[in-house]
Amino acid sequence: EAGVAQSPRYKIIEKRQSVAFWCNPISGHATLYWYQQILGQGPKLLIQFQNNGVVDDSQLPKDRFSAERLKGVDSTLKIQPAKLEDSAVYLCASSFGRQETQYFGPGTRLLVL
Amino acid sequence: GNSVTQMEGPVTLSEEAFLTINCTYTATGYPSLFWYVQYPGEGLQLLLKATKADDKGSNKGFEATYRKETTSFHLEKGSVQVSDSAVYFCALITSGGSYIPTFGRGTSLIVHP
Repeated sequence: EAGVAQSPRYKIIEKRQSVAFWCNPISGHATLYWYQQILGQGPKLLIQFQNNGVVDDSQLPKDRFSAERLKGVDSTLKIQPAKLEDSAVYLCASSFGRQETQYFGPGTRLLVL
Repeated sequence: GNSVTQMEGPVTLSEEAFLTINCTYTATGYPSLFWYVQYPGEGLQLLLKATKADDKGSNKGFEATYRKETTSFHLEKGSVQVSDSAVYFCALITSGGSYIPTFGRGTSLIVHP
């Protein structure tokens, strides 16, 4: 079974630029999560989708971050404009249901200069 | 809000030593509890889980028991190996409609031969 795919794996941008991350979850998984993991900390949930609907985005900085999940499968997370404090690893995870085990992708490491 | 507190790391042990990593939580509702592990250069993966009080999750020689009375889910292993060196994350997902995942900061384990 293929795992959660993410791209790119690494990205370096300057502040005020925009960036987008892509995630392809495990086939059949209805729930998709985006997390931000700052060095030395645990993953912080940014947004959670159930199929193609948002079920929680309370910790998403909506003035600069946006996310969508088209057709309930792939998802993209965008930052525009980026700030220095956005430097982190962005993790995508998926699960069969909302209280089930999450399967994580390898993450995208973002550095904002 | 919900929170997960883990003991500070790094935890440094010799091979075959006994391991305990403490995890306590606060949560509304009745959460499911998880331990995830992140090996060097890899993504997070589930180690074990428990979904109700007094349940014991176990995998690869690791164990954790869901203690509702002390709101704890401590991770233990009787004899660690060098290959267990990784970062361990305690996490919960609440129930009752919100299903919001919350992770601890992670505890780094270093096992010496």
